[in-house]
Amino acid sequence: SQQGEEDPQALSIQEGENATMNCSYKTSINNLQWYRQNSGRGLVHLILIRSNEREKHSGRLRVTLDTSKKSSSLLITASRAADTASYFCATDASTVRAGNQFYFGTGTSLTVIP
Amino acid sequence: DTGVSQDPRHKITKRGQNVTFRCDPISEHNRLYWYRQTLGQGPEFLTYFQNEAQLEKSRLLSDRFSAERPKGSFSTLEIQRTEQGDSAMYLCASSFIGGSIQYFGAGTRLSVL
Repeated sequence: SQQGEEDPQALSIQEGENATMNCSYKTSINNLQWYRQNSGRGLVHLILIRSNEREKHSGRLRVTLDTSKKSSSLLITASRAADTASYFCATDASTVRAGNQFYFGTGTSLTVIP
Repeated sequence: DTGVSQDPRHKITKRGQNVTFRCDPISEHNRLYWYRQTLGQGPEFLTYFQNEAQLEKSRLLSDRFSAERPKGSFSTLEIQRTEQGDSAMYLCASSFIGGSIQYFGAGTRLSVL
């Protein structure tokens, strides 16, 4: 089953605008990651934020994590047409005892209009 | 190309046939994962290997599915007696032991007619 849910399911913006997508999850985690998937392709890792971090930046990406609310957001600033893709959050709660607990959310489909 | 590669990229088969997919992970990676992704959904975990040992299988992995990683390098995923519900993208990923980031291949898209 999928632990995370992204919101919104679909987002359409003009080039140059900022895009914000949110992820909610259910259990305690070690870290949360965001991946991008272009249509019909595999997933590409974007950024990882650990459970003891609250905010992280990478280029035009800004990720926040609120473990008390079990939620994360991904902000893409100054969007480009090439940012058009589906974005997934993935939570990692893996432990030696629990084994692999790496789950993807349902995804946000982002369309950036040139 | 030093990334994760999957073969074939597309497979069309008739219901009831067997299919086999191959995944070649990044060579230094000990862990290899298989996921299934249906349209409009995120990837769903199927199974993973640490070296040649299959450490975990999801309940999604019915007895018609079998995965192997015989020498701890490439892996195969076989689906026997395919059903239309097996139509999906099958994704492979690899990582280091203890590494949090998984690196994905481009996937094999299976269509069962």
